[in-house]
Amino acid sequence: QSALTQPPSASGSPGQSVTISCTGTSSDVGGYNYVSWYQQHPGKAPKLMIYEVSKRPSGVPDRFSGSKSGNTASLTVSGLQAEDEADYYCSSYAGSSYVFGTGTKVTVL
Amino acid sequence: QLQLQESGPGLVKPSETLSLTCTVSGGSISSSSYYWGWIRQPPGKGLEWIGSIYYSGSTYYNPSLKSRVTISVDTSKNQFSLKLSSVTAADTAVYYCARGARGYAFDIWGQGTMVTVSS
Repeated sequence: QSALTQPPSASGSPGQSVTISCTGTSSDVGGYNYVSWYQQHPGKAPKLMIYEVSKRPSGVPDRFSGSKSGNTASLTVSGLQAEDEADYYCSSYAGSSYVFGTGTKVTVL
Repeated sequence: QLQLQESGPGLVKPSETLSLTCTVSGGSISSSSYYWGWIRQPPGKGLEWIGSIYYSGSTYYNPSLKSRVTISVDTSKNQFSLKLSSVTAADTAVYYCARGARGYAFDIWGQGTMVTVSS
């Protein structure tokens, strides 16, 4: 059970969009529509931003969107704001287990 | 509103057993709509799922930790617990408890507790 692969970093200016990829295998990302995304600010607990590939929990801005194609899922943050600067982790159900991504640090320039 | 709070020793000696408890407040741990999990994060590193327990008592563990992990639930106290045996320095991490909900996602997290393995 290997960690899902994410780019270490991504950045964008305020108002721009940034997209983070999350690559797994047919045993996790590609096999289930159960990809979720978490935002984590320094010293804080992760916060659920996206579940079931593209659904947003109540209270999460619609600037956050998710998608999936094959073994790769993506998170897009549109209209970047200063408070979006954080670490982002994807996660996938893998049949009675879970696997997290390696994490991506998003910087707002 | 539902809240989770981890508790337990912040320092554990190598080869001993790490024991943590997660207290659930503002809701029942016995709801069939949810399950409960433990996730950890070594300093400066990413998240790692440790295991989950369902209202039925069924447990699922990370294969890499399965031989050392036990997760249990105490419905009378609205708590669930983690035991990790034979710890080493590699088990030093912030340990989070979380609620699992629809879509196999963890929607509510505790604040986390730092556990250091050192003699």
